[in-house]
Amino acid sequence: DAGVTQSPTHLIKTRGQQVTLRCSPKSGHDTVSWYQQALGQGPQFIFQYYEEEERQRGNFPDRFSGHQFPNYSSELNVNALLLGDSALYLCASNSDPASAAYNEQFFGPGTRLTVL
Amino acid sequence: DQQVKQNSPSLSVQEGRISILNCDYTNSMFDYFLWYKKYPAEGPTFLISISSIKDKNEDGRFTVFLNKSAKHLSLHIVPSQPGDSAVYFCAASGNQFYFGTGTSLTVIP
Repeated sequence: DAGVTQSPTHLIKTRGQQVTLRCSPKSGHDTVSWYQQALGQGPQFIFQYYEEEERQRGNFPDRFSGHQFPNYSSELNVNALLLGDSALYLCASNSDPASAAYNEQFFGPGTRLTVL
Repeated sequence: DQQVKQNSPSLSVQEGRISILNCDYTNSMFDYFLWYKKYPAEGPTFLISISSIKDKNEDGRFTVFLNKSAKHLSLHIVPSQPGDSAVYFCAASGNQFYFGTGTSLTVIP
């Protein structure tokens, strides 16, 4: 049973560039959330996708956008990269919001983004 | 605004003793609380959870206590083992998941 997978594992970009990160949820999960974890901080919620729609959004600018595909995989796009966007980006999946197991999120290993 | 707080960045405990990790929250509408464990270069791993309608949940060596009046939860690990050395995050579920900043636990053999 494959868990949550993310690609790439590491990425280096320069200021002003755009980046796309990818995530495949755990088998049987249809809800995907993205988090940003800066050094020494806890994960900060970016947004959540369910049924290919953005269901919830945290306090992040519009430069952060996402997409969910019919197979439940997801992408996180960040435009006009800033130095402060350097962080570990985590993807998490869980079962649908109506499920009793909804609160148990499973995380991928993350993508380490460095903006120079 | 930090709705979930872990005020101890680090904790060291001797092997075999009890580890107690603490977490405070501000939003009384949170309905579910979780603890995650994170090793370097890995994503957080779900450890144990508790619903807001309970005050204790136990799973093997791990017990989570919830004090709703104090808006406080704690994770007890007994007995602590060297393999428990990791960063522990508490999280709360409302309309989204809110995480604390983590406590780095070191279990000394």
